[in-house]
Amino acid sequence: QKEVEQNSGPLSVPEGAIASLNCTYSDRVSQSFFWYRQYSGKSPELIMSIYSNGDKEDGRFTAQLNKASQYVSLLIRDSQPSDSATYLCAVKGAGNMLTFGGGTRLMVKP
Amino acid sequence: GAVVSQHPSWVICKSGTSVKIECRSLDFQATTMFWYRQFPKQSLMLMATSNEGSKATYEQGVEKDKFLINHASLTLSTLTVTSAHPEDSSFYICSARASGLAGAGEQFFGPGTRLTVL
Repeated sequence: QKEVEQNSGPLSVPEGAIASLNCTYSDRVSQSFFWYRQYSGKSPELIMSIYSNGDKEDGRFTAQLNKASQYVSLLIRDSQPSDSATYLCAVKGAGNMLTFGGGTRLMVKP
Repeated sequence: GAVVSQHPSWVICKSGTSVKIECRSLDFQATTMFWYRQFPKQSLMLMATSNEGSKATYEQGVEKDKFLINHASLTLSTLTVTSAHPEDSSFYICSARASGLAGAGEQFFGPGTRLTVL
C-alpha cells in the first residue's frame, strides 16, 4: 500500500469551476502537508502548506486537512487554463522525510 | 527567497561518459538536499538524501557507485552520473530543505536537469 495516495486523473474541469484534488496518507503521526504544482517538463513548485486541521486559504487556493480521516485536499476556485498541471501531495512524517503521492493531472478547459 | 538552482539545465552525452550536476541553494543554507529522478509521465522518485559533511543515504535500488553525491558545503550538492547509459536518461531534480528557518521543513526544488544519453 502506498503511503500517500492520489487519483492520477486526469481531472477535467471547465474554466471558472472549482477543482477539487484529494490525497490520503497512511502515517498517522504525519504533521506537515504540502501541495506542489508541476507543469509538464518542469520541476515541482510549492503552492500550499498546512499543518493543523481545518482550512487554509491563499488566493484561489484552499487546503483542507482532516488528520482523523488522514485526508488532505486542495481546492482551486475559478480554475484557469493556466492551472492545468500535475498536483503533487507531499506528507512529512516522523522521520522528517517528505513522501510524495503520484500526483493528479488537472486539465482546465476553456 | 528559497531559490534553488541547478546546472546544467540539460545535457546530452555519449554512453560511457560521466556527467556532473550541481545543485545550489542561493539564498539560504541547506543542511539537507535531496536528489530525485523522474521518467516521463511518472512520479518523482527519491534517489538519495544528501547531508552536508556526511555520506549520502541512498534509496533502495539506487547504485551509490554509479550516482556519486557530494555535499561539501551548506549551499552546494553535486550528483555525478558515472558511466552513463541510455537508460539513465531522465529528468534529475534536486531539492533543498532550509535549516534554521521557521516552518516545518518545506523542500524547495531546483529547475531540474534533463539528461539524454546517446
